[in-house]
Amino acid sequence: DAGVIQSPRHEVTEMGQEVTLRCKPISGHDYLFWYRQTMMRGLELLIYFNNNVPIDDSGMPEDRFSAKMPNASFSTLKIQPSEPRDSAVYFCASSLDGTAYEQYFGPGTRLTVT
Amino acid sequence: AQRVTQPEKLLSVFKGAPVELKCNYSYSGSPELFWYVQYSRQRLQLLLRHISRESIKGFTADLNKGETSFHLKKPFAQEEDSAMYYCALREGAQKLVFGQGTRLTINP
Repeated sequence: DAGVIQSPRHEVTEMGQEVTLRCKPISGHDYLFWYRQTMMRGLELLIYFNNNVPIDDSGMPEDRFSAKMPNASFSTLKIQPSEPRDSAVYFCASSLDGTAYEQYFGPGTRLTVT
Repeated sequence: AQRVTQPEKLLSVFKGAPVELKCNYSYSGSPELFWYVQYSRQRLQLLLRHISRESIKGFTADLNKGETSFHLKKPFAQEEDSAMYYCALREGAQKLVFGQGTRLTINP
């Protein structure tokens, strides 16, 4: 298993452009999480899904951010329009329901907005 | 609100010296705490969980409810321990709240 897959690995875009980040969770995992990592704020949860349904989006910074999970094997995080302060590493993670709790992280997408 | 605090953004120690990465939490219920680690060019991964009372790669962490702490310790640091370390608190069924992280550097 390749684990959680994210694309692209690096994205450089200009302010005002739309950015779409993609994630494929581990097959069979019920939960999918989107995080943002910055030096100032560390690792912040943006949103998470259970069985493709958004459960908690309280971490989404503003309306410019949106996330979807059309099926069990694919999710997107979209920023429109992008701003320089969105520059960060965005991680996707997935997990199984159960007591032996562990989240499995993807390699991350490094986003730079100029 | 539940919170996790890692007071040190950067920590540097010499090889062979003891290491302690601090983590404090605030939580109204019975906490479940974890340490995650990210080595250079690798994915963020679970290092250990307090309920397992395990030692992984020589690291241990004890939950101290009186001091609301979950510090990560290793008696003798190794160069391969250099990494970013995150303390995390389980909130609800599946959500994790992470601290800001501590970048540990082990000097030769």
